[in-house]
Amino acid sequence: AQKVTQAQTEISVVEKEDVTLDCVYETRDTTYYLFWYKQPPSGELVFLIRRNSFDEQNEISGRYSWNFQKSTSSFNFTITASQVVDSAVYFCALSELWGYQGADGLTFGKGTHLIIQP
Amino acid sequence: ETGVTQSPTHLIKTRGQQVTLRCSSQSGHNTVSWYQQALGQGPQFIFQYYREEENGRGNFPPRFSGLQFPNYSSELNVNALELDDSALYLCASSPGQGGYEQYFGPGTRLTVT
Repeated sequence: AQKVTQAQTEISVVEKEDVTLDCVYETRDTTYYLFWYKQPPSGELVFLIRRNSFDEQNEISGRYSWNFQKSTSSFNFTITASQVVDSAVYFCALSELWGYQGADGLTFGKGTHLIIQP
Repeated sequence: ETGVTQSPTHLIKTRGQQVTLRCSSQSGHNTVSWYQQALGQGPQFIFQYYREEENGRGNFPPRFSGLQFPNYSSELNVNALELDDSALYLCASSPGQGGYEQYFGPGTRLTVT
């Protein structure tokens, strides 16, 4: 069965520090998709990125970057020069193309609560 | 472009009652998924509808049921409410099948007393 583990329950850093959020996943499928979502205090999940299992290229978007490594089943997320507005709960998620949940049923980790102190 | 909307925002029900939650998908999206998020936890997948048919389900009992309408809006129905059903219910829409990103609505906070 598919599983996503976010071992860091809470991280607190001072503004402008770099921070990395870890995500480790388990799947038996060869075709799968990985996602990161942000959940600010308002509660609405905001989509950040999607990767498929055949694309291991790292991606950078502004201060955000993602490192996908199939060899270690990890999909880590780094925020460079963190800002107070980055404070939120961040979720890593996985879907399998032929999973028992159906093609697009996301399995989420428990989330990492990121606190950026001014 | 209108995003995903959900109604109501908050709801209080009594154990044993039934509840219906509603979701309007984002324009151009034909797939709707429902998730339950307990306090301090990640969302749990309930089920997904594609072109008015359920095509995927998580580990939830049959008292959780749903519908999708021709305009791709959707309902989540929960019968015989239990205290553990208290949670944030999230609806997400996507433009199709095959691992597309899902866009979430603001959620409905259900409290069962």
